[in-house]
Amino acid sequence: QQQVKQSPQSLIVQKGGIPIINCAYENTAFDYFPWYQQFPGKGPALLIAIRPDVSEKKEGRFTISFNKSAKQFSLHIMDSQPGDSATYFCAAPTNTGGFKTIFGAGTRLFVKA
Amino acid sequence: GAGVSQSPSNKVTEKGKDVELRCDPISGHTALYWYRQSLGQGLEFLIYFQGNSAPDKSGLPSDRFSAERTGGSVSTLTIQRTQQEDSAVYLCASSLLGGARNTEAFFGQGTRLTVV
Repeated sequence: QQQVKQSPQSLIVQKGGIPIINCAYENTAFDYFPWYQQFPGKGPALLIAIRPDVSEKKEGRFTISFNKSAKQFSLHIMDSQPGDSATYFCAAPTNTGGFKTIFGAGTRLFVKA
Repeated sequence: GAGVSQSPSNKVTEKGKDVELRCDPISGHTALYWYRQSLGQGLEFLIYFQGNSAPDKSGLPSDRFSAERTGGSVSTLTIQRTQQEDSAVYLCASSLLGGARNTEAFFGQGTRLTVV
């Protein structure tokens, strides 16, 4: 079973810091790399996504950096705020055993006020 | 409604009983997923429906678990003879496209299942 490996498992930063969450994938056929944000008691929601024809995408304070040769992509949160405290999941489609989206294990982020 | 709707939101059942969890995806979405999330854990893939294709059941943990999707819309996840380890939040998601043309997945709020 192909995997999406996410790290770190948890992260604590001060307000204003720049947490970075990393994901590594295996299947080079992947062409859509999203990050999802989940607050307690809620389902995950799409935060930002990138396609591999670009190396970086910014949306507000959130940036995805994509390294195709290393098969890695990362999420950076600029000027982090306590309201960013949530669990973050990376995801990628796989075509092993049929197409489906598989998720990383998640990163619990806590931003201290 | 505008989003993915799941029911019930909470379900407490006795060990050994059967349960049915329902998912109403966003209208027009061809792909539908079921995931399971144990407390503080990641998303465990269960099953995937794409249009009229045979579902990908590779994530179902045992033969006590089954799911169907009627008319390409509503889906039901059934767990027979529930066990305590089945306790988790069951999340449904739908997306406009699937397969190689993956697009954003929209999640429901989940059904929190507690087996006592």
